[in-house]
Amino acid sequence: QVQLQESGPGPVKPSGTLSLICDVSGESISSSHWWNWVRQTPGKGLEWIGEIYISGSTNYNPSLSGRVTISVDKSKNQFSLRLTSVTSADTAVYYCARFTETGMDVWGQGTTVTVSS
Amino acid sequence: EIVLTQTPPSSPVTLGQPASISCRSSQNLVHNNGYTYLSWLHQRPGQPPRLLIYKVFNRFSGVPDRFSGSGARTEFTLKISRVEAEDVGVYYCMQTTQFPYTFGQGTKLEIK
Repeated sequence: QVQLQESGPGPVKPSGTLSLICDVSGESISSSHWWNWVRQTPGKGLEWIGEIYISGSTNYNPSLSGRVTISVDKSKNQFSLRLTSVTSADTAVYYCARFTETGMDVWGQGTTVTVSS
Repeated sequence: EIVLTQTPPSSPVTLGQPASISCRSSQNLVHNNGYTYLSWLHQRPGQPPRLLIYKVFNRFSGVPDRFSGSGARTEFTLKISRVEAEDVGVYYCMQTTQFPYTFGQGTKLEIK
């Protein structure tokens, strides 16, 4: 059974960098899937951040204006999110998710990231 | 960006009765390959979203057959034939036809 688990360092200061890791278990990250990041806030609801394929190909949400980078580490079977120049608007629950032909079919439990001084 | 508009915002339903949620897209969701990438997700409080329906009408593995999806192009519907207590929560439609992927604002299903 495939499982995803997000982890991160906790609170982030404004103008700082948010970094999260998604550990994939039960499946090789080299499988032919896209690995995604999605966030959720009470105000804006669910927002797609971006995705990465094992080849390194990425797609990002233009709303994040070039602040986002998603990368993959095959040796650790994990992928990562990096969001720079954060503000309070980036405070959210961040989810990693697997995207296959059946859609966004496996989600992590989510991790809350608070941007605060 | 494709905007998905769900109605109603909330839906109080009696146990055992049907429920229906609509999702309207600002653009045609038929992909160049002929498929329509419209999904439905369910989220309970404190839980991540869970996939129910993909490509308009396909039930994901383990999803009860009381859930059904229908629609085409810009108009889509999720129906629950007989609501059970475990169905409470928020339902979202999501499109992955065009970047950026987008979600509806959610419909909260409550028991009367």
